Amino acid sequence: EDKVVQSPLSLVVHEGDTVTLNCSYEVTNFRSLLWYKQEKKAPTFLFMLTSSGIEKKSGRLSSILDKKELFSILNITATQTGDSAVYLCAVTGGGADGLTFGKGTHLIIQP
Amino acid sequence: GAGVSQSPSNKVTEKGKDVELRCDPISGHTALYWYRQRLGQGLEFLIYFQGNSAPDKSGLPSDRFSAERTGESVSTLTIQRTQQEDSAVYLCASSLSGGRGAGQPQHFGDGTRLSIL
Repeated sequence: EDKVVQSPLSLVVHEGDTVTLNCSYEVTNFRSLLWYKQEKKAPTFLFMLTSSGIEKKSGRLSSILDKKELFSILNITATQTGDSAVYLCAVTGGGADGLTFGKGTHLIIQP
Repeated sequence: GAGVSQSPSNKVTEKGKDVELRCDPISGHTALYWYRQRLGQGLEFLIYFQGNSAPDKSGLPSDRFSAERTGESVSTLTIQRTQQEDSAVYLCASSLSGGRGAGQPQHFGDGTRLSIL
C-alpha cells in the first residue's frame, strides 16, 4: 500500500526561526513528490521534485528529494507569521492516478 | 486567469438525501481529480478524469459515490443516500495533463464543505 508520512505533525516556532519539515514515502513506481501549503481553503502548489539531490528554491522556501532514502525535506528560513499553515506532502506514481497525501505538518509561527 | 472553481462552498443536508457537488477546472486543463479531506485526515483520492478516457474510479469509497465529466469541462460528484461519515471537505483539482506518469502539478479549488446532519 502506498504511504506518505510527514513529521512533525505540528510545530510551533518564533518568527525569524528556520524550520525543516520532513516527508518519507513508500510508493510503487515513484514519479514525483509535491509540496503544498494549505491555509484556510485550497492547497496551493509550492514545489514538484522528480530528481534526487536537486534543490528547488523559491524565496525563503526550498526543498530537496532523496530517492535512495525515500524522503524529502521542506525548509523555510526567516519564518514569518504568514508562513503559518498546514504543509502537505504528496507523491505520484502509486496504485491510482491521483496523489497520495500525508497528513500534513501544522506549522504555527508566533510573533 | 481563473483558478479551479467549486460550488457550493458549503452544503448542509440531512442523512439519506442525495447531494451534487460541482467543479469547474482551469481552462485548458485536461486532467481533473476529486479528493476528500475528513477532519484530522490527509486528502484521499476519489476519482480521476483525463479527456475522454475511462475515469480511474479506484478511490471511490462505495457505490453511493459517482462522478461525471463531459469532455474537458465541468465535473459533478454525486453522493447518494448520504451518511454522517460522508461529512468532509470535497476538493477538486485540475492539471494540464494527468495520471501516474505525468509531470504537471495539480491546482486545487477551495472545496465544498459537506455536513450531514
